[in-house]
Amino acid sequence: DQQVKQNSPSLSVQEGRISILNCDYTNSMFDYFLWYKKYPAEGPTFLISISSIKDKNEDGRFTVFLNKSAKHLSLHIVPSQPGDSAVYFCAASVRTGANNLFFGTGTRLTVIP
Amino acid sequence: DAGITQSPRHKVTETGTPVTLRCHQTENHRYMYWYRQDPGHGLRLIHYSYGVKDTDKGEVSDGYSVSRSKTEDFLLTLESATSSQTSVYFCAISDYGTATGSPLHFGNGTRLTVT
Repeated sequence: DQQVKQNSPSLSVQEGRISILNCDYTNSMFDYFLWYKKYPAEGPTFLISISSIKDKNEDGRFTVFLNKSAKHLSLHIVPSQPGDSAVYFCAASVRTGANNLFFGTGTRLTVIP
Repeated sequence: DAGITQSPRHKVTETGTPVTLRCHQTENHRYMYWYRQDPGHGLRLIHYSYGVKDTDKGEVSDGYSVSRSKTEDFLLTLESATSSQTSVYFCAISDYGTATGSPLHFGNGTRLTVT
């Protein structure tokens, strides 16, 4: 069973506008949530993370929002740039138990110049 | 970028043959992981290591074995490759492990095709 879900396989956004990538999870025990970005033929690279005790974390153009009651998180990219075009994965982990990052299936973001 | 090298980058092999993928790190990180990426599944953990000679299974460990005889090297072996093991394999490293919320750093992957 997929514990972390990204229901939108793709998203297209105009350059300069906001990109919003969504992620849902089923395991209420997750303590940490991370976003990764992946270019073709490369490994995923870490973007930003958030602890379950927070509801927002910001790093430059990237902001992650966490809604624990809805088991939902989102990544906002403002403003979007063509270099942001990539596949974005959300991932989650627990503080105790499994030593694993559970990944979603990814969303392909295309930023149109 | 974290110093992680995966070899080979591409491999084609036949069903039933053994295959070993190598991950080498220069960061002296304690934890090393092997994931596979497949369409519709994201990345899934195969095995991980929390120290030399210390390994444990992940979500999709059947048909795979691992070994870690040195801090810097983590080997993934498919004893008898099957077509269902055609995938892209990623190695990752971490100093503190996923339980602390610290991110994993990934290599550039090995694309394995089993014919």
